[in-house]
Amino acid sequence: QQQVKQSPQSLIVQKGGISIINCAYENTAFDYFPWYQQFPGKGPALLIAIRPDVSEKKEGRFTISFNKSAKQFSLHIMDSQPGDSATYFCAASFDNQGGKLIFGQGTELSVKP
Amino acid sequence: DTEVTQTPKHLVMGMTNKKSLKCEQHMGHRAMYWYKQKAKKPPELMFVYSYEKLSINESVPSRFSPECPNSSLLNLHLHALQPEDSALYLCASSPGSANTGELFFGEGSRLTVL
Repeated sequence: QQQVKQSPQSLIVQKGGISIINCAYENTAFDYFPWYQQFPGKGPALLIAIRPDVSEKKEGRFTISFNKSAKQFSLHIMDSQPGDSATYFCAASFDNQGGKLIFGQGTELSVKP
Repeated sequence: DTEVTQTPKHLVMGMTNKKSLKCEQHMGHRAMYWYKQKAKKPPELMFVYSYEKLSINESVPSRFSPECPNSSLLNLHLHALQPEDSALYLCASSPGSANTGELFFGEGSRLTVL
């Protein structure tokens, strides 16, 4: 019930294309859905996040789409660039258990020039 | 540049050694965390400190001992580790009292246990 399932495991996109990563969850009590970006040898960095009362959030080239009824959310990276090549983790958390992130398994994105 | 600083970046230790990992943040955050990350896996929560008190211990073996000397510092004391404990150990902090998933991670300390 506390799992977050992420797909695909790996993704190759051409420069300028759209990268789409999907996540699904079971527990409707989750309060917060962040995406983290991790480059090799670095710690994860918060990229963008959404709460379940919002259906979409956009920050620059990054957009989260949230479907509460389907219990799914996705990350869209528009105009993907080689510098976006990294591992992306979706996550979910409860406000009253802050910091206890339930991570998806990660997606390794490679953007080809 | 990350504002959560971890030292050392790399550590090699034998199974009988005692060592410590250190973490420091100067963002005024009141919650600090230790996560463990194996290669090609997501981070796994180990400990949470909120206002310098241990609030979550995810059933971590006693060979890992956390310490929070003050609101800016977090240590992880290591003793009698096993080779399977080799991993990237990530420190993180968050504003307020650990009530959201907005974490700021350090770059990690890569631990190898021989």
